[in-house]
Amino acid sequence: QKEVEQDPGPLSVPEGAIVSLNCTYSNSAFQYFMWYRQYSRKGPELLMYTYSSGNKEDGRFTAQVDKSSKYISLFIRDSQPSDSATYLCAMSRTGTASKLTFGTGTRLQVTL
Amino acid sequence: ETGVTQTPRHLVMGMTNKKSLKCEQHLGHNAMYWYKQSAKKPLELMFVYNFKEQTENNSVPSRFSPECPNSSHLFLHLHTLQPEDSALYLCASSQDIDRNYEQYFGPGTRLTVT
Repeated sequence: QKEVEQDPGPLSVPEGAIVSLNCTYSNSAFQYFMWYRQYSRKGPELLMYTYSSGNKEDGRFTAQVDKSSKYISLFIRDSQPSDSATYLCAMSRTGTASKLTFGTGTRLQVTL
Repeated sequence: ETGVTQTPRHLVMGMTNKKSLKCEQHLGHNAMYWYKQSAKKPLELMFVYNFKEQTENNSVPSRFSPECPNSSHLFLHLHTLQPEDSALYLCASSQDIDRNYEQYFGPGTRLTVT
């Protein structure tokens, strides 16, 4: 079983839709949860990170963490064609020896 | 220049060549990372440097050799690579390894080994 599972998609939605992107994980020691956006032929861009459980909002983006279910989500409201990209989840434990464990990414296409 | 820059952006090399990838960060960070990104696979951490000292070598073959002369610069020296080494190589930085949850990536070098 992979430590982090992420549906590769592609996920196609019309402009203006609410998008839900998700990851599940198996390691209960993970404490930090990150979402990255990666456009084609570019490096990943950090959207937001969350520590432990709860929600975090930044503009049209909301990250949710449910540690009891080992499930994290990224919601995008009022999706735009410019949101079309691959979204990577990542997570890590605390401590200097920890490293990020990434999902494989979900490709999102927002159509006009 | 801002953020994290990488050169070259594209590289084609034969299996017997020697080449180097360069990364520079303009964020005042002290930790730098090399990752390999292959199609349909998660990012693979290769090396980690914190305050110029290597803190992690993630079982990377010796044909990949990192160098970190200072906290702003990171190199990846390549020698006698294999075709399966073709991938996007990404550099990232963070304030230090304690804050590895807040990493900033460069645009990557697309490497093709022929």
